[in-house]
Amino acid sequence: DTEVTQTPKHLVMGMTNKKSLKCEQHMGHRAMYWYKQKAKKPPELMFVYSYEKLSINESVPSRFSPECPNSSLLNLHLHALQPEDSALYLCASSQDQRNSFYEQYFGPGTRLTVT
Amino acid sequence: AQSVAQPEDQVNVAEGNPLTVKCTYSVSGNPYLFWYVQYPNRGLQFLLKYITGDNLVKGSYGFEAEFNKSQTSFHLKKPSALVSDSALYFCAVYILTGGGNKLTFGTGTQLKVEL
Repeated sequence: DTEVTQTPKHLVMGMTNKKSLKCEQHMGHRAMYWYKQKAKKPPELMFVYSYEKLSINESVPSRFSPECPNSSLLNLHLHALQPEDSALYLCASSQDQRNSFYEQYFGPGTRLTVT
Repeated sequence: AQSVAQPEDQVNVAEGNPLTVKCTYSVSGNPYLFWYVQYPNRGLQFLLKYITGDNLVKGSYGFEAEFNKSQTSFHLKKPSALVSDSALYFCAVYILTGGGNKLTFGTGTQLKVEL
């Protein structure tokens, strides 16, 4: 099974709302990632968890808060977002972030719209 | 700066003709190179990777890529294009940062295969 699942598929939220995005993988991967992608642009890395510890934070605003409850799950908590945060949010996983030769497997994404 | 470049925003090809999507890289040390494809409103799908060994790498859906160290290129190829190959293609390379390995994407090339 090489599947990464993400919920919800679509999310519309106001600027004062709090919501969470969820990601799950059952491939035994020890690295999980959050990316933000605007239309027709490459994914931009936000966070990396390696062995359930945050290893990379790409200077993401604090209104985005990641959480890795266990090796299979990754959450992204959202609070007080701005309209420019509207994008496709992609989760990915790979066997191990410490080695550069493992491909990442991506979920289908959550389409977020901030109104 | 370490990066990958995709010089063409869009490539048009007739069905049945060979296709090439170009990628060049600039990294220190050995490059670990990847190709991903993204269909509309979907996540990224891994196609193939070059780590070491044979310069011609075969991947999913009949795609292959040729690693050329002297030209610092990793072009994606397919002998006979299908309309269903129409999608957004990303070249990527791992870059080592203080927090670990980070996958950096090119700007993407939109492939359009026409009947």
